[in-house]
Amino acid sequence: QAVLTQPASLSASPGTSVSLTCTLGGVDVATSKIYWYRQKAGSPPQYLLWYRSGSEKEKGSGVPSRFSGSKDASANAGILLISGLQSEDEADYYCLTWHVSAWVFGGGTKLTVL
Amino acid sequence: EAQLVESGGGLVQPGGSLRLSCAGSGFSLRNYNIHWIRQAPGKGLEWLSYIDRSGTVVYYSDSVQGRFTISRDNGEDSVYLRMIGLEVGDTAMYYCARELRQVPFDIWGQGTVVTVSS
Repeated sequence: QAVLTQPASLSASPGTSVSLTCTLGGVDVATSKIYWYRQKAGSPPQYLLWYRSGSEKEKGSGVPSRFSGSKDASANAGILLISGLQSEDEADYYCLTWHVSAWVFGGGTKLTVL
Repeated sequence: EAQLVESGGGLVQPGGSLRLSCAGSGFSLRNYNIHWIRQAPGKGLEWLSYIDRSGTVVYYSDSVQGRFTISRDNGEDSVYLRMIGLEVGDTAMYYCARELRQVPFDIWGQGTVVTVSS
């Protein structure tokens, strides 16, 4: 069973850039499509984007260009990059992948915008 | 605007059962594959089950296999999650979500709360 590990929390200042990591265990990130979701307090999650490679990626409708995906093959990790951080970006962020007939979520990262 | 609406949650005793419903608003649910996902209080997201448009292909997570049953009635334009043998650990917000092209959970409902307690 795949395991997706995310840092429990992260904080950053408005206007800066932040990278949220999702480390894969038991599956190779190189061939995986990683999805990212954002969940603001008291609301259901919202789809942000998916990323497999520079040529295989897609962003959700209305998702700002400040959000992008990438991978760190050396760390076997998917990355969600948020640039120009805004106070409204404060939320929980979840990664997701498909592995052996099941969708697997990471534990989520709580992003605080100081 | 396309929306999903869950219903059927509530308080149930351990060992009890519930049936959750998922309906679409602004689009026809029958044209889409649908998933159920849950979130325990203060915890992360857990995928539970999937059903394809025809209702013939279903998947379950190991944690609910054998206790939960997903189904759909395309005539009623609804998807259901029948849950039996409920445990305290099943206490959570239950969401249904639509699958669109390559995105497994394109839009989500607001969720319905299931509380398992004596």
